[in-house]
Amino acid sequence: AQSVAQPEDQVNVAEGNPLTVKCTYSVSGNPYLFWYVQYPNRGLQFLLKYITGDNLVKGSYGFEAEFNKSQTSFHLKKPSALVSDSALYFCAVRIPNSNSGYALNFGKGTSLLVTP
Amino acid sequence: DVKVTQSSRYLVKRTGEKVFLECVQDMDHENMFWYRQDPGLGLRLIYFSYDVKMKEKGDIPEGYSVSREKKERFSLILESASTNQTSMYLCASSSQFGTVYEQYFGPGTRLTVT
Repeated sequence: AQSVAQPEDQVNVAEGNPLTVKCTYSVSGNPYLFWYVQYPNRGLQFLLKYITGDNLVKGSYGFEAEFNKSQTSFHLKKPSALVSDSALYFCAVRIPNSNSGYALNFGKGTSLLVTP
Repeated sequence: DVKVTQSSRYLVKRTGEKVFLECVQDMDHENMFWYRQDPGLGLRLIYFSYDVKMKEKGDIPEGYSVSREKKERFSLILESASTNQTSMYLCASSSQFGTVYEQYFGPGTRLTVT
């Protein structure tokens, strides 16, 4: 069963506007959550993670994400989008002590398009 | 910086050929992973390894095998390539210890099987 979901295939934002890319998870316990970004024909780059502690985590390139346990969400946000933020974004979860060891379970990805 | 390299960026093979995809990491990581990425399906785990000569099946191991003879190298093998294995293949590594849980990815190999 899918343990992380990205409900939007594509998000369109005008440059300078705030952006949100949504992610929800459906695992029990305390998951470790991650966001990655993929530029065209490239591998995935790590953006940020939530392990424990402060629910608001800050990452690379001005991105941040908020862990919300009651809503089982981990949405990625940025106050002011740039055209160069246009890319494919993946949410991922690692379940502590799962049988899959240290693997991550990825969402299907959300394509972000920032228009000038 | 962690560096994960993959032997080829683009590869074209014929149906039935044996295909080797190589991945090397330079950070002494214990864990290594092979994923395939397809549009609309995200990343799916094929195999992973948490130690030399150790391997575990992921979600879609059928048609694939792996080899890890040295800590830094993790190979994905397609014994007899088929057209439905045309995909982007991503290798990743991570540490088993400490508090750095994220995986580091290589640039990917886009494999086309004709």
